[in-house]
Amino acid sequence: SQTIHQWPATLVQPVGSPLSLECTVEGTSNPNLYWYRQAAGRGLQLLFYSVGIGQISSEVPQNLSASRPQDRQFILSSKKLLLSDSGFYLCAWSRQGGAGNTIYFGEGSWLTVV
Amino acid sequence: GIQVEQSPPDLILQEGANSTLRCNFSDSVNNLQWFHQNPWGQLINLFYIPSGTKQNGRLSATTVATERYSLLYISSSQTTDSGVYFCAVEARDSNYQLIWGAGTKLIIKP
Repeated sequence: SQTIHQWPATLVQPVGSPLSLECTVEGTSNPNLYWYRQAAGRGLQLLFYSVGIGQISSEVPQNLSASRPQDRQFILSSKKLLLSDSGFYLCAWSRQGGAGNTIYFGEGSWLTVV
Repeated sequence: GIQVEQSPPDLILQEGANSTLRCNFSDSVNNLQWFHQNPWGQLINLFYIPSGTKQNGRLSATTVATERYSLLYISSSQTTDSGVYFCAVEARDSNYQLIWGAGTKLIIKP
């Protein structure tokens, strides 16, 4: 069976500090990978998606970046965090074929920028 | 772009009650999914339902694609059903992006 994990689950970071959230998927190969942000407890905003190693598409301009160094690893980063980066970040995966397949989410990471 | 509207925004029910959640979308879609987010933030896919009706235990969903809406039914509610229910659609020209509704926050009281 397939599993998805992301970490850390919770972090508190000062403004201007760097960020690295990691996500890994097990039990499948060549998945589509996604990073979402949920700012207010409702509604998800797609930040990045990837259809393969090194292939990253960004949906919104922002202070964040994403990388996919391995087939089943997706990393969300920032060089300098802003207060507005606070929120709940979710990694997700789906099988190749786009969002037309069921999408599965990780446990989420709560980020508070202070 | 496509708009997704969910109603009601909030719903408070007693345990054992039945409920219907609605999702309207403004254009034709390739698929539609229902999700449940529990109070701890975990998002679980409930149904992948671009059209027709599906049932899973006390939950069922119906999508009428021609009329651009979907309904999620919860019968005999339990406190563990509490959380936020999201509807998300993939527009025909979406390029992998799901468009999300704002959610329905459901509270089931014991």
